[in-house]
Amino acid sequence: DTAVSQTPKYLVTQMGNDKSIKCEQNLGHDTMYWYKQDSKKFLKIMFSYNNKELIINETVPNRFSPKSPDKAHLNLHINSLELGDSAVYFCASSQRAQSNEKLFFGSGTQLSVL
Amino acid sequence: AQRVTQPEKLLSVFKGAPVELKCNYSYSGSPELFWYVQYSRQRLQLLLRHISRESIKGFTADLNKGETSFHLKKPFAQEEDSAMYYCALTGRGSTLGRLYFGRGTQLTVWP
Repeated sequence: DTAVSQTPKYLVTQMGNDKSIKCEQNLGHDTMYWYKQDSKKFLKIMFSYNNKELIINETVPNRFSPKSPDKAHLNLHINSLELGDSAVYFCASSQRAQSNEKLFFGSGTQLSVL
Repeated sequence: AQRVTQPEKLLSVFKGAPVELKCNYSYSGSPELFWYVQYSRQRLQLLLRHISRESIKGFTADLNKGETSFHLKKPFAQEEDSAMYYCALTGRGSTLGRLYFGRGTQLTVWP
């Protein structure tokens, strides 16, 4: 009955590869997010989708492409992985895309690029 | 530009002592402030938000617009409070739905 689930939990891959991280929420929320946590534990938003529509796109390299097939899913595809992409990626959701909404986070995907 | 500063990367106190985790922000509009917490082996979760003016697990935080601060306080720390605490900010308008996080403070409460 996990609210926000993301897979895989760990991902180890070589530079130049293409990989995907999947996220699903069963809360019936309209809005989903991807956050990146760097080695210094700094969390920064990457993307946000509201009802399958992209509403936030931070200055993220276009090697990162989010895809939302429906409002319960937001996947993150990364092309041509680089060493600097190594981080923990968190998916999150909120009921609406409003400023005071509570975010529900997934448990994170630790990506290591070798 | 919006910015959230948590000056302490690490904070240690003994059980029963008061604890204050500092958070300062910079934002030109009307901010909404939050504290999120990540306990060991658990996911990041909301602790409290300023708009609710609530006390959760004995923690309180008051938004001080004059000092642009949103410090998190608890009068008597417990061992189970040991965790990573993130202060976060959002606002209306272009930042709608976008949370800006501080770098986090790792709180350790010793027995």
